Amino acid sequence: GENVEQHPSTLSVQEGDSAVIKCTYSDSASNYFPWYKQELGKGPQLIIDIRSNVGEKKDQRIAVTLNKTAKHFSLHITETQPEDSAVYFCAASMPLIDDKIIFGKGTRLHILP
Amino acid sequence: DTGVSQDPRHKITKRGQNVTFRCDPISEHNRLYWYRQTLGQGPEFLTYFQNEAQLEKSRLLSDRFSAERPKGSFSTLEIQRTEQGDSAMYLCASSLGAQGEQYFGPGTRLTVT
Repeated sequence: GENVEQHPSTLSVQEGDSAVIKCTYSDSASNYFPWYKQELGKGPQLIIDIRSNVGEKKDQRIAVTLNKTAKHFSLHITETQPEDSAVYFCAASMPLIDDKIIFGKGTRLHILP
Repeated sequence: DTGVSQDPRHKITKRGQNVTFRCDPISEHNRLYWYRQTLGQGPEFLTYFQNEAQLEKSRLLSDRFSAERPKGSFSTLEIQRTEQGDSAMYLCASSLGAQGEQYFGPGTRLTVT
């Protein structure tokens, strides 16, 4: 089955700097890659996603890139702000074939003042 | 609609007791998912429904677990004869069709003493 690896497990960046979280997946059939942000005591919140027919997607300060050949995808957050502090999860799935989402283990992002 | 809701938010029970959790999905969403999340890990898939039909169950879902979605709207997840290893956050998500985007509720945190 699909396996998603995520790193780093913890990341501290100065406010205003950029943060990058990287993930790899194992099943080449996966074609949908969402990213979730989870704050303490809350459920995961979908913040951005990318499908396999696209190499990059941007939404304001966040962007995702996908390299299907290498089975890598990454989340980039620019101009980080205190409210970006949270746990971020990458995930992979193959809608229409297998609907479950396979999550990475998460990255705890700390934004330092 | 305010999103996916779950009840209760917290449940403390003694080992051996039965517990039941409820999930109300986003109203027009026909797919409903249950995940389990333990501390420091990403959510793990348990089962999902399309309307009232339960389409897939993970091998994580032992015989003590049962889920229903009788009218294709809300769902319940019951755990019989709870064990300490059942302590986790139980998350519900919903989606419209099989396009991938799953939206999560706040979760029910179960503590088995």
